[in-house]
Amino acid sequence: GQSLEQPSEVTAVEGAIVQINCTYQTSGFYGLSWYQQHDGGAPTFLSYNALDGLEETGRFSSFLSRSDSYGYLLLQELQMKDSASYFCAVRDNYGQNFVFGPGTRLSVLP
Amino acid sequence: ETGVTQTPRHLVMGMTNKKSLKCEQHLGHNAMYWYKQSAKKPLELMFVYSLEERVENNSVPSRFSPECPNSSHLFLHLHTLQPEDSALYLCASSPGGYRDTEAFFGQGTRLTVV
Repeated sequence: GQSLEQPSEVTAVEGAIVQINCTYQTSGFYGLSWYQQHDGGAPTFLSYNALDGLEETGRFSSFLSRSDSYGYLLLQELQMKDSASYFCAVRDNYGQNFVFGPGTRLSVLP
Repeated sequence: ETGVTQTPRHLVMGMTNKKSLKCEQHLGHNAMYWYKQSAKKPLELMFVYSLEERVENNSVPSRFSPECPNSSHLFLHLHTLQPEDSALYLCASSPGGYRDTEAFFGQGTRLTVV
């Protein structure tokens, strides 16, 4: 089976940098993705890592270490609008499904 | 807008009712998914369709019945639900295949079973 772990909550102030970690246990691995979901909204795709290393997209970066079954999402120059839940997700061993972590609720304070 | 549309956005139904949730995508995707999102729980995969064929049924009770008449439409038929089935039901699509990196989600249907 598959399981993913994330911290349940993170709090930071505007302008700060925050890192949200994700560890996973899967019977196969086809990449780690990150999604953002605002209250009442749909999850929206942020980034994807198939290979080890850092991927940067504007203020957001995502890192993967396949040997450690670990990844993180790094959010820089935090803004109030970044307050949301963040989910990591992996493709399962058949590549058919996206399996999601429990989500991390980020609160950005003024 | 993600290109995936779900209707209705909100639904209240009794335990003896029958209702259906609808999902529509015009992204040309070949894979469609139903997820259940309950408070304080991860997104739970319910069903996966690839090229209109069901490829995954994640031990979902039979009171939930999916239907995929074509690659653009996905339904979830509901009957004799329980109060614990109250949740946000999310539909998603992806191009289809091992190399998919992103799922596109609809806004969800907030279901309340009374």
